[in-house]
Amino acid sequence: KNQVEQSPQSLIILEGKNCTLQCNYTVSPFSNLRWYKQDTGRGPVSLTIMTFSENTKSNGRYTATLDADTKQSSLHITASQLSDSASYICVVSRNTNGQNFVFGPGTRLSVLP
Amino acid sequence: NAGVTQTPKFRILKIGQSMTLQCAQDMNHNYMYWYRQDPGMGLKLIYYSVGAGITDKGEVPNGYNVSRSTTEDFPLRLELAAPSQTSVYFCASRSDYPVSTDTQYFGPGTRLTVL
Repeated sequence: KNQVEQSPQSLIILEGKNCTLQCNYTVSPFSNLRWYKQDTGRGPVSLTIMTFSENTKSNGRYTATLDADTKQSSLHITASQLSDSASYICVVSRNTNGQNFVFGPGTRLSVLP
Repeated sequence: NAGVTQTPKFRILKIGQSMTLQCAQDMNHNYMYWYRQDPGMGLKLIYYSVGAGITDKGEVPNGYNVSRSTTEDFPLRLELAAPSQTSVYFCASRSDYPVSTDTQYFGPGTRLTVL
């Protein structure tokens, strides 16, 4: 079954601290993995995308890693800011036509002052 | 560019009523999608379209209908609303190319409550 799991379900950290979010997937055939940020009341916005051959990708303070062998990905946030408070969604694309995106349930991150 | 726009932002329906959720994009994307997001769950695909005149069912199509008469618009129709359709609905679009970086652009969502 094509599935994406994320942990933790929610996380609270203090401003300025680092954190790491996890994503495990059982999706095939694999095309790429993407992390989205979803602010409360808004649609998801793409942060990073990694294809099979890439094992790390950075976007400012966000760094994503991918281990295609173990089917795991992580999103590391450095020096967190209050504006990082959001849900972070892991999405795996299948290399098929049409219905090919599998969404994780998301990790809810709260950054406190 | 406005990107992907959705209307309305909020709506309350009574059981059995019908309504249409509007979605439009100005990026000339062929691919468009409708998702629903329930609390604590991942987005579920309702319907999608690969171009004007072409639509197909997603994971949870029951109770919904779509049409795609133009590249820009992709309305979602709810017939005979039920409490189980209470959710947040997101429309998204993406370009055909490059396939390896198929980023979806999402609208702001429509929060629907069926009472």
